[in-house]
Amino acid sequence: NAGVTQTPKFRVLKTGQSMTLLCAQDMNHEYMYWYRQDPGMGLRLIHYSVGEGTTAKGEVPDGYNVSRLKKQNFLLGLESAAPSQTSVYFCASSYGDSQIYGYTFGSGTRLTVV
Amino acid sequence: KQEVTQIPAALSVPEGENLVLNCSFTDSAIYNLQWFRQDPGKGLTSLLLIQSSQREQTSGRLNASLDKSSGRSTLYIAASQPGDSATYLCAVNTDKLIFGTGTRLQVFP
Repeated sequence: NAGVTQTPKFRVLKTGQSMTLLCAQDMNHEYMYWYRQDPGMGLRLIHYSVGEGTTAKGEVPDGYNVSRLKKQNFLLGLESAAPSQTSVYFCASSYGDSQIYGYTFGSGTRLTVV
Repeated sequence: KQEVTQIPAALSVPEGENLVLNCSFTDSAIYNLQWFRQDPGKGLTSLLLIQSSQREQTSGRLNASLDKSSGRSTLYIAASQPGDSATYLCAVNTDKLIFGTGTRLQVFP
């Protein structure tokens, strides 16, 4: 009963470096999401996917790219990290009809860009 | 644009008190509303999910109500315990999940 697993849990990057955050879910959920959480800003949606091979922009997509090559995985990429991307990143998933079912969240990745 | 507000931003109470946390939203066209708990440095744990057609949901000492027409939800915590100390987030689902900024709760012995 792993649910939603995020790796890594912590990371420190230098400005300009790139990295990929991995989200994996074992609940056969169709929809997956990436959020960032900043003090005083709440959680904001970065990108999301409504099924394998699909992606869409959320509220704050700039500076990020995503891929959903397999149904169970959703990758978040930072091509050239900036200090403004220092945040805690959360992945979530839901069944296809999220109008009925709720969301399940991972435990987060704390990213610091120096 | 949907906006979600949670009041109060912080709350400190002695053990044993009954609590009410408030959540308001500006657009009543929601599918459902979900309450989460977040412990410091941790992820989000789902507490209760209320569909737009429902008025309330209960789980143990927790009861959440929803008044969609007035754009309000409340989370009632009975007989609070120190282990209830955490940040409580509400989120409305309008095909995307929109979060409030949370209520930080501290329950002291």
